[in-house]
Amino acid sequence: DARVTQTPRHKVTEMGQEVTMRCQPILGHNTVFWYRQTMMQGLELLAYFRNRAPLDDSGMPKDRFSAEMPDATLATLKIQPSEPRDSAVYFCASGRWGPGANVLTFGAGSRLTVL
Amino acid sequence: KNEVEQSPQNLTAQEGEFITINCSYSVGISALHWLQQHPGGGIVSLFMLSSGKKKHGRLIATINIQEKHSSLHITASHPRDSAVYICAVMDSNYQLIWGAGTKLIIKP
Repeated sequence: DARVTQTPRHKVTEMGQEVTMRCQPILGHNTVFWYRQTMMQGLELLAYFRNRAPLDDSGMPKDRFSAEMPDATLATLKIQPSEPRDSAVYFCASGRWGPGANVLTFGAGSRLTVL
Repeated sequence: KNEVEQSPQNLTAQEGEFITINCSYSVGISALHWLQQHPGGGIVSLFMLSSGKKKHGRLIATINIQEKHSSLHITASHPRDSAVYICAVMDSNYQLIWGAGTKLIIKP
C-alpha cells in the first residue's frame, strides 16, 4: 500500500533549537496538509499545499514556523526557535481530489518534545 | 456553533453491540471523511463520502447531503474498535473542518 512517510518519528530537543520535520506524500497526490495534535487543542491545521502552492498557512505561528514544498516528493515543516509549547504530534496528510478520485492518507506522525 | 458537530462525545458499550456515531455539518462540502485514531496512534482514514453509503468489513458510513448529516456504524463491536472517531468535512476550498471526535470504548 502507498504510504505517507514522515520523519523523524520522534524528536526530543531543547528549547531554542531548530526542528525540521519532513513528509513524503504519496506519488500522484496533489494536496498536502500539516496538522498538529495536542491534548488541549486537538487537531489543528497548520498549513496546506495544493499542487505544491501554499494555499493556507493561517493556522501557523509565522514568527517561528515555516512550511515549504520544494518538490512534489517532499514537504517540510520547520520550527525555529522551538519552544516547549510546540511539543505535540505533527501529522502530514496527502490527498487527491477530482472526479471519481477522493483520497486522503495520513502519515504516522512526528512526536516532538521540546524541553 | 461549530461547523461540524459530532455526537456523542463519549460512548461506552459492550462487545457485540451495534454502534452509531453521528456527524452534522453546516457548510457546503465536497466530501466527508471518517477517521479513526487509536490511543497514542496514528490517524487512519476509514471512509471518504460524497453521497450514499459505503461499507468496509464491520464499518458502514452513510451520508445525507440534503440533511447535512452522516453516520458511522459499527456492527458486532469489538474491544479493538476502541478509538477516537473523527468526522471531517472538506469544504469547497478544499479545507478540512474537523469535528471534536467521539471517544469509543468497547468493553469485553
